[in-house]
Amino acid sequence: KNEVEQSPQNLTAQEGEFITINCSYSVGISALHWLQQHPGGGIVSLFMLSSGKKKHGRLIATINIQEKHSSLHITASHPRDSAVYICAVLTHYPNFGNEKLTFGTGTRLTIIP
Amino acid sequence: SQTIHQWPATLVQPVGSPLSLECTVEGTSNPNLYWYRQAAGRGLQLLFYSVGIGQISSEVPQNLSASRPQDRQFILSSKKLLLSDSGFYLCAWSRLAGYEQYFGPGTRLTVT
Repeated sequence: KNEVEQSPQNLTAQEGEFITINCSYSVGISALHWLQQHPGGGIVSLFMLSSGKKKHGRLIATINIQEKHSSLHITASHPRDSAVYICAVLTHYPNFGNEKLTFGTGTRLTIIP
Repeated sequence: SQTIHQWPATLVQPVGSPLSLECTVEGTSNPNLYWYRQAAGRGLQLLFYSVGIGQISSEVPQNLSASRPQDRQFILSSKKLLLSDSGFYLCAWSRLAGYEQYFGPGTRLTVT
């Protein structure tokens, strides 16, 4: 079982729909990232959160540390939101006292006009 | 502002040939640097990270190596490529451990 699980793997929706992507993890974390990967491969960091909720434009990310679960919501979805959304958790990495990101396999979102 | 560059953007190399991918960061000093690989249909996997010049930690044993000859330069290398080295290679940086990471545009490597 992967340390980070995302659902669904693929999601197709009509423009304007409310989108929810889920992420569950099985390890202790210090923070969680939501990333967006465009068709060309480039990755953009959307959120980094360790508790509660963050909002940026039409995007909302929530995290429940006790339940080891996070959700990414997109309101009023648009075709330009089509991308792969990746959840990644930051865990303590003993070498050099560092921390490392462990990634989910991503959710491919397609918004149809 | 900070910028991260990677080159080349795409690369097709035969099995057994050497590899050198370069990553540079502008606008920050002493960043933590990371190399990731994304194989087809799989999630991103950390390959190497560096907290300073000459300091490299390898996440998994493999056919690849990394070097950091300058503060803001990170190089991924191989002496002899394998078919399994094909994938999308991403470089990233962060200010400190545990801080948000920023990704480069990536290099798509196809080993034939």
